[in-house]
Order: sequence, then structure tokens, then C-alpha cells
Amino acid sequence: AQSVTQLGSHVSVSEGALVLLRCNYSSSVPPYLFWYVQYPNQGLQLLLKYTTGATLVKGINGFEAEFKKSETSFHLTKPSAHMSDAAEYFCAVTEYGNKLVFGAGTILRVKS
Amino acid sequence: GAGVSQTPSNKVTEKGKYVELRCDPISGHTALYWYRQSLGQGPEFLIYFQGTGAADDSGLPNDRFFAVRPEGSVSTLKIQRTERGDSAVYLCASSLNHKETQYFGPGTRLLVL
Repeated sequence: AQSVTQLGSHVSVSEGALVLLRCNYSSSVPPYLFWYVQYPNQGLQLLLKYTTGATLVKGINGFEAEFKKSETSFHLTKPSAHMSDAAEYFCAVTEYGNKLVFGAGTILRVKS
Repeated sequence: GAGVSQTPSNKVTEKGKYVELRCDPISGHTALYWYRQSLGQGPEFLIYFQGTGAADDSGLPNDRFFAVRPEGSVSTLKIQRTERGDSAVYLCASSLNHKETQYFGPGTRLLVL
């Protein structure tokens, strides 16, 4: 069965600092991996996804993630945090391209 | 173009009542998904439609939950004899087909008193 673990339910960074949100997955077949962002009282918005090919994936708003099969990880990074990045971030996996299995989420706080 | 829409945005009901939640997917999307997000948790899969048929309903928690998509577009999630534990945000997503990116609606926040 698929599963996703997001390390750290809350992460706090200073504006301009590196953002690193951790995600580890479990999958019996080559996975599709996703990061979604959820702003307060809004729906989930896709940040980026990995399906096949290049393991470093670039997304919207300056975010990127690297698929590391040997570590079963798909960590999300951004070189310089902005106040507008404050939100909840969800990592998700799907094996056959249908239902998504989500992690519990990480709330990112950006301090000025 | 228009995204996924869900109605109502908020629903308050009493324990034991019946509720219907509606999802309008992006036009042309053949795949439609329902998820439930409880407070402090990630979304959990409920059911997935490919066209009019439920391709995977393994996430429905019990037989009080039922969903339909009669014409392959709009879907309705139906909850009978609601319980306080059903309180959550119900999310709908659609995709061009089951292998493509899922786009989410804003959700319906259900509160069962």
C-alpha cells in the first residue's frame, strides 16, 4: 500500500531563508509524486509533480523538488522564502495514476 | 476557463439528517474524485469516477455514503443519517483522464451538530 510521511507538521523560516519541506513515500511500483499547497479557506493548488524523466522538478512560485528513489524521498525546496509562501503544503503519491494518497501536511510559517 | 466548483460552500445539519454535496468538474474532464479532509489531516480518498461509473469506491467509509455521476459530468456525494464524525471538508477534483493532474475545487465544509 502507498503511504506518505511528511516530517514536521510545522516549519518556521525567516523571510529570505531557504525553505525545506520533507516528504518520504512508500510505493510498490514507480510512483507519481506531487506537492500541493493550500491557502486558508481555499482549495488545493498543484505546485509541481514528478511522473517520469528528470528527477529535479520545477514548479510554480520558485519551488522545486527532487525525486530520490534510493531515499524514497521527494523533498520540496525554495531558495528564498517570501511572506506569501505561508500556507499548508501536502505531499501526495499515486501508483496507477488514479487516487492520491496524501501526507498529513506541513504548515509553513514565514517570519518577517 | 472555469475550475472545479462545489456547492454548497458550507453546510450545517443535524445528526441523523441526509445531505447532498455537489461537484461540477472542469468541462471535458472524464475522471472525477471525492476526498474528505478532517481537521489537521491531509485529504483522504473516498471514490473515483471514470465517466459515469465508479471505478474505485474503496475509500467510502460505510454504506451511509454514496456518490453518483449519472451523465459523466456533475457528481453528487450523498450522506445518509449523518453523524458528528462526518464533519469535515469534502473536496472534489477532476482530471482529463485518470493519469493526468487532478484539479481541486474549494470544498464543501460540512458541520454535523
